[in-house]
Amino acid sequence: EAGVAQSPRYKIIEKRQSVAFWCNPISGHATLYWYQQILGQGPKLLIQFQNNGVVDDSQLPKDRFSAERLKGVDSTLKIQPAKLEDSAVYLCASSPGPFSYEQYFGPGTRLTVT
Amino acid sequence: GQQVMQIPQYQHVQEGEDFTTYCNSSTTLSNIQWYKQRPGGHPVFLIQLVKSGEVKKQKRLTFQFGEAKKNSSLHITATQTTDVGTYFCAGPGADKLIFGTGTRLQVFP
Repeated sequence: EAGVAQSPRYKIIEKRQSVAFWCNPISGHATLYWYQQILGQGPKLLIQFQNNGVVDDSQLPKDRFSAERLKGVDSTLKIQPAKLEDSAVYLCASSPGPFSYEQYFGPGTRLTVT
Repeated sequence: GQQVMQIPQYQHVQEGEDFTTYCNSSTTLSNIQWYKQRPGGHPVFLIQLVKSGEVKKQKRLTFQFGEAKKNSSLHITATQTTDVGTYFCAGPGADKLIFGTGTRLQVFP
């Protein structure tokens, strides 16, 4: 069974530029998550989708971050404009059920904002 | 809001020594999950405990869920260099999974 796919794996941009990340979850997983992980910290949930609907986006900085999950499968996370403090690893995860189920993470995208 | 704390934050052990990390939630949990993240890698699901007082083993790893379902522990017997990484517990909050602060394990050969 294929795992969660993410691209790109690495991205370096200058502050105020925009960037987009892509995620393809495990086939059949209805729930998809985007996390931000700053070095030395645990994953912080940015947004959670159930199929193509948003379940929780309370910690998403909506003035600069946006995410969508068209057709309830793939998802994209965008940052516009980026700030230095956005430098982090962005992890996508999916689960076979709601958030209380085990989550399967992709390899992540390491973003560096200079 | 709900918090999940882990201690210790760091642990350095000699290969062959045992290791334990403790997880404490500010609220009662319906289940507790454990994840391992290797340096430079992503979190990998290890196990989920659901029942009060539940104990599960995976080879050298022993996981326990407290009677009050507010705490949990992970014990590794006779650590190996392959055990290096950060171990996170996670518990369901009102509407999201709350990850603990993590315990970083370093094993010296």
